[in-house]
Amino acid sequence: GAVVSQHPSRVICKSGTSVKIECRSLDFQATTMFWYRQFPKQSLMLMATSNEGSKATYEQGVEKDKFLINHASLTLSTLTVTSAHPEDSSFYICSAETQGDTQYFGPGTRLTVL
Amino acid sequence: AQKVTQAQTEISVVEKEDVTLDCVYETRDTTYYLFWYKQPPSGELVFLIRRNSFDEQNEISGRYSWNFQKSTSSFNFTITASQVVDSAVYFCALSPSIIQGAQKLVFGQGTRLTINP
Repeated sequence: GAVVSQHPSRVICKSGTSVKIECRSLDFQATTMFWYRQFPKQSLMLMATSNEGSKATYEQGVEKDKFLINHASLTLSTLTVTSAHPEDSSFYICSAETQGDTQYFGPGTRLTVL
Repeated sequence: AQKVTQAQTEISVVEKEDVTLDCVYETRDTTYYLFWYKQPPSGELVFLIRRNSFDEQNEISGRYSWNFQKSTSSFNFTITASQVVDSAVYFCALSPSIIQGAQKLVFGQGTRLTINP
């Protein structure tokens, strides 16, 4: 149990395009989902917290207009990187939790912006 | 503010050796959770353990054991008889008590563990 999937696992795009990443909890309903980014050989940095049906809460320094988060249902959250640039290249990881439980992480999406 | 420190950036040992990964945390919360996650080269974070701040009992799971000491704000992780498959980056993390809502994890910088055959 407690499986979280992400799609795509890897994406390469041209500068200026938008990329959508999906995060799904496969066998449980997630009241909250989190989005992290991780640069090579660094730790995970929380970008935003999203609850189903409400606006995401972004961490300080994260541009909400650039990183659009939609939590459409209790099993799906999407992160859209708008007008991506090379500096947005990173490993994006989502996690999902139910109230009072542990966060379970997706396998991550490696984004490369050319 | 909450902070997690993993002072060991990289550790390299020979297979079958025991190895301890250190984790020191800072928090003003009276109740909180501590976690360890494993990140193998594939990138996915694998949950290893969650410990409530009220429970200072040490825990053992197979070759893994955890030593939680509130007095020193430490939550160390020991792998006994290490194996090559244990090679990964290990993250210690901290979150406030669930009473305060969604658990925002604060991660340490990670320790890259390499087990050599």
